[in-house]
Amino acid sequence: DAGVIQSPRHEVTEMGQEVTLRCKPISGHDYLFWYRQTMMRGLELLIYFNNNVPIDDSGMPEDRFSAKMPNASFSTLKIQPSEPRDSAVYFCASSGEGQKPHSGSYTQYFGPGTRLTVL
Amino acid sequence: QKEVEQDPGPLSVPEGAIVSLNCTYSNSAFQYFMWYRQYSRKGPELLMYTYSSGNKEDGRFTAQVDKSSKYISLFIRDSQPSDSATYLCAMTFRENTPLVFGKGTRLSVIA
Repeated sequence: DAGVIQSPRHEVTEMGQEVTLRCKPISGHDYLFWYRQTMMRGLELLIYFNNNVPIDDSGMPEDRFSAKMPNASFSTLKIQPSEPRDSAVYFCASSGEGQKPHSGSYTQYFGPGTRLTVL
Repeated sequence: QKEVEQDPGPLSVPEGAIVSLNCTYSNSAFQYFMWYRQYSRKGPELLMYTYSSGNKEDGRFTAQVDKSSKYISLFIRDSQPSDSATYLCAMTFRENTPLVFGKGTRLSVIA
């Protein structure tokens, strides 16, 4: 399996522009998580889905952020309009019974992240 | 008080040393404890996974959980330069629920 796939790997945009981050979870996983990592705050949850349905979006900073999961193999995180304080690395992770990990069950597997810079 | 506290380091040790990394937490409801390793500009990868209290060993790595003290540890024996990375502790209440992370400890193993 290719693991969790995220695109783009890097994104540089100007304040006010719309940004869309994409994630393809591991096949068979039914949970998908979006996290954001900054130097100041570390890794924090933004939102997570179960069977394509959002379960908890309390970590989404404000209405400028939105996330969708139209099917089991694709999710997007959109920021509109973007601001410099949104600059961070955004990670997607998936978990579920589709692929047993080497130790423990239901472990979250992370993608390589999207490094977002808003100028 | 942050839910999970982790000394950010940096921690620098010579090759072959024993490394001890630690986290404390405040919420006694946490049941699942993990250590992730993150290389520079990469995503976190799972290193160790423990349910409830106790020890788990995997090669050069040992994870310990002391729920009575709300304290978890990761020991690395015979450390190698390839172990140089940031180590993140993480924990959660139930399986398939969001992880709460420490801020990570940056480790450098010097050859």
